[in-house]
Amino acid sequence: GQQLNQSPQSMFIQEGEDVSMNCTSSSIFNTWLWYKQDPGEGPVLLIALYKAGELTSNGRLTAQFGITRKDSFLNISASIPSDVGIYFCAGRERGSNYKLTFGKGTLLTVNP
Amino acid sequence: NAGVMQNPRHLVRRRGQEARLRCSPMKGHSHVYWYRQLPEEGLKFMVYLQKENIIDESGMPKERFSAEFPKEGPSILRIQQVVRGDSAAYFCASSAGTEETQYFGPGTRLLVL
Repeated sequence: GQQLNQSPQSMFIQEGEDVSMNCTSSSIFNTWLWYKQDPGEGPVLLIALYKAGELTSNGRLTAQFGITRKDSFLNISASIPSDVGIYFCAGRERGSNYKLTFGKGTLLTVNP
Repeated sequence: NAGVMQNPRHLVRRRGQEARLRCSPMKGHSHVYWYRQLPEEGLKFMVYLQKENIIDESGMPKERFSAEFPKEGPSILRIQQVVRGDSAAYFCASSAGTEETQYFGPGTRLLVL
């Protein structure tokens, strides 16, 4: 089945730095979503994107829906220790209105 | 307003036993989805249910796995005769409608010895 390629797999950054991660697919997606998962918990939705080219912010987080509809990125500015966790991209392929496909995640570590 | 609830949070089974995972959707949600997450992997879709109906079970193994969402009570994911490869985190999500935002529960971590 469809898989999303998410990179990088992991990042180690200093508190205060900005970070960027991205996701690509081989097919067109109608919706891109970014989730954060803390250890032992379920994914929590951070940002949802519904239109090609859309740029959406949620506090220090900014995400964009790629023009080709085959990619998305997430930026976190001025990172803080509580940003630590695994970030997943997910999306709905064209033709699917409910099934989410997830990337493998980016493990973010923030050194205080 | 309680979120999606799953229990148990952790479940240990020996090979050959049955595992029953329960999911109570958010209040007002009638759409339930089950996903499986293997270690260091993303979540993989298993099944989509609405009250008393299985809409899409294309991601669920044909044998030993079943799911239900009865008119009353939680959704149940049942795994019969568990094997070591079934060890994973199983997440339930719910939504108010088919294309609406899916909200995830905390998951059930299944360990098969």
